[in-house]
Amino acid sequence: KNEVEQSPQNLTAQEGEFITINCSYSVGISALHWLQQHPGGGIVSLFMLSSGKKKHGRLIATINIQEKHSSLHITASHPRDSAVYICAAVFGNEKLTFGTGTRLTIIP
Amino acid sequence: DAMVIQNPRYQVTQFGKPVTLSCSQTLNHNVMYWYQQKSSQAPKLLFHYYDKDFNNEADTPDNFQSRRPNTSFCFLDIRSPGLGDAAMYLCATSRAVRAPEAFFGQGTRLTVV
Repeated sequence: KNEVEQSPQNLTAQEGEFITINCSYSVGISALHWLQQHPGGGIVSLFMLSSGKKKHGRLIATINIQEKHSSLHITASHPRDSAVYICAAVFGNEKLTFGTGTRLTIIP
Repeated sequence: DAMVIQNPRYQVTQFGKPVTLSCSQTLNHNVMYWYQQKSSQAPKLLFHYYDKDFNNEADTPDNFQSRRPNTSFCFLDIRSPGLGDAAMYLCATSRAVRAPEAFFGQGTRLTVV
């Protein structure tokens, strides 16, 4: 069964802290997305990965295909980073399968 | 510039009164998706269009319909909204069903009163 699991479900941290959100998936994938959703807002695509690592500003996403695991890192976190971060996987020729998200709160 | 645009951002409708949500795209993508996302849950796929071919998910209620009059526009019609249909509705596009890249709209938050 195609499954995506995220941890933690909720994360609260102080401004400036280094943040890590984890995503694991059940079987091989063709791509993995990291998405951001602010309260009451739509979804913004942050990264799409099929291997290795990508960086955009203070955000870094990595994926380990052998371990079926991906991480999203935020350096020098800021209150405006507070949002729900969602991992979504493309299993083979299937459509996106979403994780349930990680709610991140950054306290000033 | 926004590439997937949903209108309106917020919609309030009465119980049982038909409502239509709109999605447009400037990407010329073949596939358009509609997702329903209830509070604190992952988005749930309702249906998708590949060009004019409509693909309904097995557990999508009959109350939900969709139209795609041309490549750029796709509509979600809720024939008789119930209180349980209050949710965020997300539109997304991709080049093909198997294409891994997807672009999302800002969503429409539907409130049923």
